Amino acid sequence: GAGVSQSPSNKVTEKGKDVELRCDPISGHTALYWYRQRLGQGLEFLIYFQGNSAPDKSGLPSDRFSAERTGESVSTLTIQRTQQEDSAVYLCASSEEPDRNIQYFGAGTRLSVL
Amino acid sequence: RKEVEQDPGPFNVPEGATVAFNCTYSNSASQSFFWYRQDCRKEPKLLMSVYSSGNEDGRFTAQLNRASQYISLLIRDSKLSDSATYLCVARSGNTPLVFGKGTRLSVIA
Repeated sequence: GAGVSQSPSNKVTEKGKDVELRCDPISGHTALYWYRQRLGQGLEFLIYFQGNSAPDKSGLPSDRFSAERTGESVSTLTIQRTQQEDSAVYLCASSEEPDRNIQYFGAGTRLSVL
Repeated sequence: RKEVEQDPGPFNVPEGATVAFNCTYSNSASQSFFWYRQDCRKEPKLLMSVYSSGNEDGRFTAQLNRASQYISLLIRDSKLSDSATYLCVARSGNTPLVFGKGTRLSVIA
């Protein structure tokens, strides 16, 4: 079946603009995760959804970052007033209950803020 | 606070060599451990889980030492295609996975 799909694959924006990143998880996966990976760095956890609720938002770096999920499916990560330090690859992953240990990742959205 | 720490490398090894990576975790409540593999400019993919008794999958062996809070990954008979970044992962309870920053491996012909 289809894997985790993210769009766009690449996004170039100007500092100060808002961007919206989209994630389509694997059908039936109830858990969805957003991570950020800066160049040459590890994965930085941002937020986790169980169904449509977000029990853990602890990784969101500032109030410019928000995410939502609807219909226990698609999720969007919004970054307002982008800054150059927001440049990174934003990865989405999903997993299936009960085994949330195995996360399947999308190919990511490469965000460049000029 | 770095919950999962790894030597970033790079480890440059010739084909056929045996190479081992270690990873330490700080949360003693961690119960589940994994190795993920990430190829250059690609997404991470699960390589293998790490079980208390140690486990092997072909040329790959993973071990867990709870007393010292570290896990290891051993790769025997390295192939060029093993070149990647290897991410150590830990989890406690129902919390999200915690990823290390990865160890980069380059296998050279």
